[in-house]
Amino acid sequence: SQQGEEDPQALSIQEGENATMNCSYKTSINNLQWYRQNSGRGLVHLILIRSNEREKHSGRLRVTLDTSKKSSSLLITASRAADTASYFCATDDSNYQLIWGAGTKLIIKP
Amino acid sequence: SQTIHQWPATLVQPVGSPLSLECTVEGTSNPNLYWYRQAAGRGLQLLFYSVGIGQISSEVPQNLSASRPQDRQFILSSKKLLLSDSGFYLCAWSVLYGGYTFGSGTRLTVV
Repeated sequence: SQQGEEDPQALSIQEGENATMNCSYKTSINNLQWYRQNSGRGLVHLILIRSNEREKHSGRLRVTLDTSKKSSSLLITASRAADTASYFCATDDSNYQLIWGAGTKLIIKP
Repeated sequence: SQTIHQWPATLVQPVGSPLSLECTVEGTSNPNLYWYRQAAGRGLQLLFYSVGIGQISSEVPQNLSASRPQDRQFILSSKKLLLSDSGFYLCAWSVLYGGYTFGSGTRLTVV
């Protein structure tokens, strides 16, 4: 079943602006992960944030996790055309599998 | 370093023909292995996962099967393809509570 829900479904911004995507989930988790998928390609792991962490950074990416609200956000700062992709969140509930959202399609306009 | 190989990249098969997609992992031992299917513009649907040789768990009833004959080899098969089996198939590996590493995917079109 699908647990993570990304919001918005699609986002179009100008190059250089910041992009924020949100993810909500329903059950307790061990960790939450964000992935990027370029069109027609495999997924690339971006960041994993554990349930006892509140914020994590990786380069231009910042992920927050609020377990009380069962939500996470992914912020991409100073966006570039190469950031155009679909972004997925996935939650790990220790059942040997991830529960995936349907993704946010991000378009960066030059 | 750890890598994952998935092939072929694209495949066009007639209805009723068999299918065999192979995925191999390098640089790690005893990984958890996964087969996913992704419909166009949608999220991922878990088809099978394996936590060890010969151990296969199926998530949805379907026309497909999976096997793990070796620690780092995961095979997705079908005896007779249906039109509804068309899609983008992704293999992945992980360690428990870790991030997933995905293969580059196979675009299967059943005609």
